Amino acid sequence: DGGITQSPKYLFRKEGQNVTLSCEQNLNHDAMYWYRQDPGQGLRLIYYSQIVNDFQKGDIAEGYSVSREKKESFPLTVTSAQKNPTAFYLCASSIALGGTVQETQYFGPGTRLLVL
Amino acid sequence: GESVGLHLPTLSVQEGDNSIINCAYSNSASDYFIWYKQESGKGPQFIIDIRSNMDKRQGQRVTVLLNKTVKHLSLQIAATQPGDSAVYFCAEKFETSGSRLTFGEGTQLTVNP
Repeated sequence: DGGITQSPKYLFRKEGQNVTLSCEQNLNHDAMYWYRQDPGQGLRLIYYSQIVNDFQKGDIAEGYSVSREKKESFPLTVTSAQKNPTAFYLCASSIALGGTVQETQYFGPGTRLLVL
Repeated sequence: GESVGLHLPTLSVQEGDNSIINCAYSNSASDYFIWYKQESGKGPQFIIDIRSNMDKRQGQRVTVLLNKTVKHLSLQIAATQPGDSAVYFCAEKFETSGSRLTFGEGTQLTVNP
């Protein structure tokens, strides 16, 4: 059963704490993305990675960090520097064909992060 | 029923009616567009896409229309069903942005039985 999995479904963060959100895909996709979604708003890009061991900042990278050590995994860390972390976090992936990453992105089920 | 996407974020239709969800995109250099469906508490689900060299593309019960002159994208859902109730997002890709997508704010579609 191929797809994108995100865990946990709900995550609680205490003030000053770093937390890590997991994203795994078994689609053999090359590119992976992290988005943040706030109520009633569209998706905003945090970080993306088009190949293993490489990633780029998106539009709202401050307070977040990522790593891409394996093709199938792209964890996102929400650091204590992110002052307003409460949101729904979505991971996505897309395939590369002929060396070009395709635009069609497929999403995981999301992780809701809440601050205690 | 018809919505204007960013200006009217909700659309309510009767079961069996056709729905039209609109999206005004921002960049005349965008060359690829996608519609996603997002049910409450879930990740967005791919519905249909279209490239800028096309005006129309049809899927199962859905049609996407692209009007590049006025930078307008629409999603038509035929014979709308209660299971179609969700938020619908359009996304665009700029010519120079690689695989990055820019998302609209979404339209909430409610189907009344």
